[in-house]
Amino acid sequence: NAGVTQTPKFRVLKTGQSMTLLCAQDMNHEYMYWYRQDPGMGLRLIHYSVGEGTTAKGEVPDGYNVSRLKKQNFLLGLESAAPSQTSVYFCASSFEQGASSSYNSPLHFGNGTRLTVT
Amino acid sequence: AQKVTQAQTEISVVEKEDVTLDCVYETRDTTYYLFWYKQPPSGELVFLIRRNSFDEQNEISGRYSWNFQKSTSSFNFTITASQVVDSAVYFCALRRGNNAGNMLTFGGGTRLMVKP
Repeated sequence: NAGVTQTPKFRVLKTGQSMTLLCAQDMNHEYMYWYRQDPGMGLRLIHYSVGEGTTAKGEVPDGYNVSRLKKQNFLLGLESAAPSQTSVYFCASSFEQGASSSYNSPLHFGNGTRLTVT
Repeated sequence: AQKVTQAQTEISVVEKEDVTLDCVYETRDTTYYLFWYKQPPSGELVFLIRRNSFDEQNEISGRYSWNFQKSTSSFNFTITASQVVDSAVYFCALRRGNNAGNMLTFGGGTRLMVKP
């Protein structure tokens, strides 16, 4: 069982370049999330999705776009990367329909993507 | 608004010492959920415990124990007889009770260094 898989693991971008981070989960989870982790600030929610075809803004959405075309995939896009987007990005998923106590189930995280924007 | 504060940014102890990681939260909800996650040097986030707001029983799991006190809005985490493998960043997190998306609000994390 792979859980939550993020690709790529590392990436270096130049200012203004674009890229897409891919998150895939095989746990049949309804909800998916993108967080960024910065020193001293914990993890902050960028965007999330409560189901296929739906997305919503989190705490720090500016400069990012997302798509959830398939239930198992959640893509995070940077259209024009900026140095302020240098961070470690984590994808997570939760909530399996019909499972007991799923409404407050813990988040399952991927291993992170380290992005550097120069 | 929800807020989680972990005032200790770094803690250093010697192996076998006991250590407590503090977590203070703010919420207006009467129903909410609290979590602790561990992030070892390898970088992944590992779920440790979930506690709901209407269950103030303390919990012990091996060398780990958690003290939830609604009166002080705290959910502290104690490691007894610490080991080098406990070295990690620990995050406390909060979820609202009526949160349809199950999103978590995280504290800034506490880096624990256990020296041999």
